Order: sequence, then structure tokens, then C-alpha cells
Amino acid sequence: QSALTQPPSASGTPGQRVTVSCSGSSSNIESNTVNWYQQLPGTAPKLLIYSSDQRPSGVPDRFSGSKSGTSASLAISGLQSEDEADYYCAVWDDSLSGPVFGGGTKLTVL
Amino acid sequence: QVQLQESGPGLVKPSQTLSLTCAVSGGSISSGTYYWNWIRQPAGKGLEWIGRIYTSGSTNYNPSLKSRVTISIDTSKNQFSLILSSVTAADTAVYYCARARYLAWFDSWGQGTLVTVSS
Repeated sequence: QSALTQPPSASGTPGQRVTVSCSGSSSNIESNTVNWYQQLPGTAPKLLIYSSDQRPSGVPDRFSGSKSGTSASLAISGLQSEDEADYYCAVWDDSLSGPVFGGGTKLTVL
Repeated sequence: QVQLQESGPGLVKPSQTLSLTCAVSGGSISSGTYYWNWIRQPAGKGLEWIGRIYTSGSTNYNPSLKSRVTISIDTSKNQFSLILSSVTAADTAVYYCARARYLAWFDSWGQGTLVTVSS
């Protein structure tokens, strides 16, 4: 049972906008910034969003992140087939004194 | 650009000890304010943080694994290591090493190495 709750799946058609939610608690999301990772099949996770809403160099601006209270969201606009992957949220948990991951959301591009 | 590479046995017998090393290239493991982490992922499942080490040698471990985990760092070899004792089949996973700039902000990852626990 992950400390962070994500929907197991999400889907959209090319060009659509999809969002992935991440629900936590006062000891993690409410107290710290959220990070998002994209994991393509058979590869290591890749940093997609850091500090809740910042994109690393090279990440398209189609990807955006937000946080409010004990929840966070990843939005992908102009969905492309190459966006089909697993997406994970991660945040420091003050109770655990360590980082926790969401269970992951598998995004399917229809 | 820093690169990380995991290495170690791909097969470990139950009750024995799993040992992995992460070699860091393209930068010094001692430079900057980074934490060096181990993360694992069982097949078809999510990511689990195992623990981290700072260049000073200070460590933090996941409480669920703390009694079996040791992470060490060798700055002369630019690498850090994971030891997980008394392994069971539940420890079968892909093990990743990763650099963290801050808390849960992992900006560089190794490619991962599959470790299977089986007799």
C-alpha cells in the first residue's frame, strides 16, 4: 500500500489533454514539493517534473505539474503516442524520513 | 553529464546476501550536495526506495528494510554500494541506483540491474 495514491490507469487519444492525480497526506505532499517520473517500457524512470511544477531541460512544455494541499497533478497536453508510459509521483515523507512513490499510472494512447 | 551504472550478481540464493555497486562517471561522487540512492522495482510493480548515502557517509534507510540494508560509499573509486542480507524471493526486483539533488528529486538514474532470488 503506497503512501501516495495514483489511479492505476489513464488513457487519451492523440492531441487530447490528460491528467494524472497523486493523493497524499500532510506528512508528504502538503509539506514538500512533488516530483514526477516517466518510465517507458523496459527503461529506467526519467525525471519529468521537479519541485511540483518545474521542467528539467529537454522536457517538452506539454508536460506540466501542479500541487494543492495534499494532492498533486501531472497534465499532458497534445498527447502523443510516445507518451505511452508509466508515470510515478514521488515526494519526501516527513514521517518516514525518506521519499515515497505513488503506485504508478499506466497511460495508454488510444 | 553524470552517468550511473549498476553491477553485481544477477542471481542470489535465499537467505544469502545481495551485493550491488553503482559506478558514477562524468562527475565526482564527492562534488555538490547530492544524495546517492538505491531504489528497486519488482516486475510489474511500482518503485520502492531502499536508502541513501551522502558523501560524508551519513545514511538513511527505508524503515521496512532497515534491519537488512547497508549502503556505503567509496569516494576513491567514485562508487557506492548496497548490501541486503537474508534475502527472500520478495527481494527479486530490478535495482536502480539514482542521484538525488534534493529529497525525492532524482535527476540521474542507472539503467537498472535485475536481481533474482532463487535456489
